[in-house]
Amino acid sequence: GAVVSQHPSRVICKSGTSVKIECRSLDFQATTMFWYRQFPKKSLMLMATSNEGSKATYEQGVEKDKFLINHASLTLSTLTVTSAHPEDSSFYICSAVPGGRGPQHFGDGTRLSIL
Amino acid sequence: AQRVTQPEKLLSVFKGAPVELKCNYSYSGSPELFWYVQYSRQRLQLLLRHISRESIKGFTADLNKGETSFHLKKPFAQEEDSAMYYCALPRGAMDTGRRALTFGSGTRLQVQP
Repeated sequence: GAVVSQHPSRVICKSGTSVKIECRSLDFQATTMFWYRQFPKKSLMLMATSNEGSKATYEQGVEKDKFLINHASLTLSTLTVTSAHPEDSSFYICSAVPGGRGPQHFGDGTRLSIL
Repeated sequence: AQRVTQPEKLLSVFKGAPVELKCNYSYSGSPELFWYVQYSRQRLQLLLRHISRESIKGFTADLNKGETSFHLKKPFAQEEDSAMYYCALPRGAMDTGRRALTFGSGTRLQVQP
């Protein structure tokens, strides 16, 4: 079945560091990928929609200069958390839809901890 | 604005007991609803979508437009059903594949032996 791979699965770093998270569709092409954020014991909240070859669409309240998204190919979207601070600590999850139709497939998520 | 409500944070039942995980939604238009499940240390995965009207792992869910509900049911719970369950609704009016999901807050199902 369709697989979405996310890397790394866990990041622990100092405040002020920039962190890049990769989301890959392993056996299908994805013109659109989605990035979600999940706080402990909370639901997933959409951060942005990543569009191959064009700018990402950010949700209200999400700083585009803070969370840089690059969808350079049909199988890879990256989320860079720039100058991360402790309040950016969270669980980040990406998803994509094989063939642009049907349900979304999710990555394993990346747990980001900023000290 | 569309919304998905899961009123129960935790549902604890004994093995063999019936299960109903509640989900209510608000959406202007014809909704398409999903149930996703997240087992311990695993990724979120699709359990059911209402348009397929199928039963997966013994779970069923019926869309009730009058009550704006999409409750998840299973007649006899198993221990392996213990997981986090999320009800979800695609955002906007575009083709499903281009739309992100609005998730409910999730319900943790604990099935005790």
